[in-house]
Amino acid sequence: SAVISQKPSRDICQRGTSLTIQCQVDSQVTMMFWYRQQPGQSLTLIATANQGSEATYESGFVIDKFPISRPNLTFSTLTVSNMSPEDSSIYLCSVEGPSGNTIYFGEGSWLTVV
Amino acid sequence: AQSVAQPEDQVNVAEGNPLTVKCTYSVSGNPYLFWYVQYPNRGLQFLLKYITGDNLVKGSYGFEAEFNKSQTSFHLKKPSALVSDSALYFCAVRADRGSTLGRLYFGRGTQLTVWP
Repeated sequence: SAVISQKPSRDICQRGTSLTIQCQVDSQVTMMFWYRQQPGQSLTLIATANQGSEATYESGFVIDKFPISRPNLTFSTLTVSNMSPEDSSIYLCSVEGPSGNTIYFGEGSWLTVV
Repeated sequence: AQSVAQPEDQVNVAEGNPLTVKCTYSVSGNPYLFWYVQYPNRGLQFLLKYITGDNLVKGSYGFEAEFNKSQTSFHLKKPSALVSDSALYFCAVRADRGSTLGRLYFGRGTQLTVWP
């Protein structure tokens, strides 16, 4: 399996500020995925992050709002910019495990915007 | 296009009874199917997957799931439920081909409550 660490695990943020979430994996992976889970909802993919290239964003998500970095094969960051209460969600990082075919998730970063 | 349906928002079952959480899917190509569990205030934990082979797959915590290609279903089952199984369960599918192979499509989740 893959061990995924996310920071911060929780945060309360002021409206209008930005927060960067870190995702560290214990093995090298090609693709990393960022999901959002709004309260009481399912998971929605924000973007796919490949090392050495620009992230690919899903419909409804833009780089200005959710800039992503992928500096190496074990690390990625997601920034939630200019936050509003609607951004209050769990943000989850996921990767494909080293044996292939299984997707693993971090514990999530629980953001509350006030 | 890929999609997953979990027709039940909630499933309630008595401890010791069998449980079933339903999932149907739609996918282009061969499906890779997954079940995840989310306990309160936790992330998603992988339970089991179907890629190919035996239609009955066994996973963590005594759970199993049966792949039915003709019905495009992948129902999660457990012969004897425990109170500690109470959690939110997500079914997910990924495509076996295409530009984003690792991308999962999730159902809306089913809240399982096992009462003593």
